Amino acid sequence: AQKVTQAQTEISVVEKEDVTLDCVYETRDTTYYLFWYKQPPSGELVFLIRRNSFDEQNEISGRYSWNFQKSTSSFNFTITASQVVDSAVYFCALSVKGANSKLTFGKGITLSVRP
Amino acid sequence: SAVISQKPSRDICQRGTSLTIQCQVDSQVTMMFWYRQQPGQSLTLIATANQGSEATYESGFVIDKFPISRPNLTFSTLTVSNMSPEDSSIYLCSVGQGVYYGYTFGSGTRLTVV
Repeated sequence: AQKVTQAQTEISVVEKEDVTLDCVYETRDTTYYLFWYKQPPSGELVFLIRRNSFDEQNEISGRYSWNFQKSTSSFNFTITASQVVDSAVYFCALSVKGANSKLTFGKGITLSVRP
Repeated sequence: SAVISQKPSRDICQRGTSLTIQCQVDSQVTMMFWYRQQPGQSLTLIATANQGSEATYESGFVIDKFPISRPNLTFSTLTVSNMSPEDSSIYLCSVGQGVYYGYTFGSGTRLTVV
């Protein structure tokens, strides 16, 4: 069985601070896919990134960066110079068979960015 | 990536009634997934709907309570039957689009049962 743990439940920062959201996963499969989604107050899920198990390269997209470490089964997400619009719930998720199998979600992290 | 139209976006229903949620995809997809998100909680998979076969339900979810239809490769419905206040949640449909695009989600249906 797969499991995703997001130990942080709520984080509050002041605008322009950097913040890291942690994600630890468990799976016995050697091929798997990791995702981060953002859920703003409106409720829709916004896709942020997908990473497969055989690609450990870190990724940067603007103010967002992701650190994938298979050795520690972690896929952490950093927001640099946070903004109020970053306030949302962030979910880490895992799939072991690509897009034809279910996503297992972590419990989510509520990020509040104060002006 | 695919675009999903999910309806209704929200509804307030009386207990004991049923609500049918629709998801229309702008391209043909093999698998569709239905999730429930209870207030303040994470997403939990209800069932996987494959066109031409019975939906596969996760532990804790039964067909009598959450019947699903999948008449073709672009459309699916989820019915929440005999509703109680505990069914108040956001319900989301999702499709998988291969390892490159990952998963796309509908905009969700906010259901309140009174």
